Amino acid sequence: DGGITQSPKYLFRKEGQNVTLSCEQNLNHDAMYWYRQDPGQGLRLIYYSQIVNDFQKGDIAEGYSVSREKKESFPLTVTSAQKNPTAFYLCASSPGPGIANGHGYTFGSGTRLTVV
Amino acid sequence: DQQVKQNSPSLSVQEGRISILNCDYTNSMFDYFLWYKKYPAEGPTFLISISSIKDKNEDGRFTVFLNKSAKHLSLHIVPSQPGDSAVYFCAASAWERAGKSTFGDGTTLTVKP
Repeated sequence: DGGITQSPKYLFRKEGQNVTLSCEQNLNHDAMYWYRQDPGQGLRLIYYSQIVNDFQKGDIAEGYSVSREKKESFPLTVTSAQKNPTAFYLCASSPGPGIANGHGYTFGSGTRLTVV
Repeated sequence: DQQVKQNSPSLSVQEGRISILNCDYTNSMFDYFLWYKKYPAEGPTFLISISSIKDKNEDGRFTVFLNKSAKHLSLHIVPSQPGDSAVYFCAASAWERAGKSTFGDGTTLTVKP
């Protein structure tokens, strides 16, 4: 079955530590996205990538970094500079920006990050 | 500035009746609108979309209506089923934003048996 795999499902981080969230897709999608969800709020875009070796900042990129060395993988690093990292993180993909508009994203099941 | 707003945090309906979820937007550049359904601790699932050149799109029990002059869209679910109980997110996308979607805060739908 094709889909997006996010790991781990739950992650605990000490203050001051960097942590990397994994996102892998086998859908052969070009575009990948990272969103953050806080309780009672919608999804806010952190970073996105439309093609391998290229990525762009979203609306709340400060304190985060990404890489896109392979089409299948789009890991997100939450750095110690992120002031409020506790949240639910969602990775998504789409065939491409134009197609995405009609067909929507495919989301992973999310990673819940808690800073302790 | 929140460009996509879902003003009702929650909605409760009886099984078999119609559920109407509403969404307002402010950016006239949006050219696609989408609805997603989300269960707790899971990622959202794409439900239905509508292009800005249309005013209605139907898929089974789900129909989305778009009123461009009012910058308003709604999702109708008929008949509502208990399995429809979830959080519904409205999202909007613009070609000039490279397909990135902006999401509303969601509406929690509860369908009572």
